[in-house]
Amino acid sequence: NAGVTQTPKFRILKIGQSMTLQCTQDMNHNYMYWYRQDPGMGLKLIYYSVGAGITDKGEVPNGYNVSRSTTEDFPLRLELAAPSQTSVYFCASSYGGWPSSYEQYFGPGTRLTVT
Amino acid sequence: AQKITQTQPGMFVQEKEAVTLDCTYDTSDQSYGLFWYKQPSSGEMIFLIYQGSYDEQNATEGRYSLNFQKARKSANLVISASQLGDSAMYFCAMREGVSGNTPLVFGKGTRLSVIA
Repeated sequence: NAGVTQTPKFRILKIGQSMTLQCTQDMNHNYMYWYRQDPGMGLKLIYYSVGAGITDKGEVPNGYNVSRSTTEDFPLRLELAAPSQTSVYFCASSYGGWPSSYEQYFGPGTRLTVT
Repeated sequence: AQKITQTQPGMFVQEKEAVTLDCTYDTSDQSYGLFWYKQPSSGEMIFLIYQGSYDEQNATEGRYSLNFQKARKSANLVISASQLGDSAMYFCAMREGVSGNTPLVFGKGTRLSVIA
């Protein structure tokens, strides 16, 4: 199993550009998540999904969009990139359900700089 | 209000000594889970240990143990016999509810530096 994979690893965007961060998991997890981690900070939830076709906002959804057409994929779309979106983006997945002890598996992250 | 509070931005520990990383949490749910993750300088998030709110025993995983004090709402991570490779950021996180369909909420982290 590859686990959770993210592409690209690094990206530099100009202000106002758009891009899609890709995330794929091969563990047949129902639950997938997008977090951002600003320098020296913890992770903040952007969006999450409890299954194909179902998404929900997290703590910091503004400026982002997601879709979940398959169990495996959960892309994150940035529209009109702003310098405040400079961050490291982590995708994660988990089995979900009972018990809630299932850990979240994280991808390696995408380091995004908006200039 | 912050759900997860980690009050130690940075900690130093001598190699082979034990260290405790503090974590307090805030929830009105009776059912919840507490997690600790390690983030080395390479950036990946590594799951270390889990404690459920109904677990009566403190969780242990090798050199990691979780000092769970439910009444005080604290879930401190204890690392015994520190190694140089333990130098990293450590994040405490919580999932509320029994169904497991809520995402983890993370604290701001503690940077641990192990000194030879």
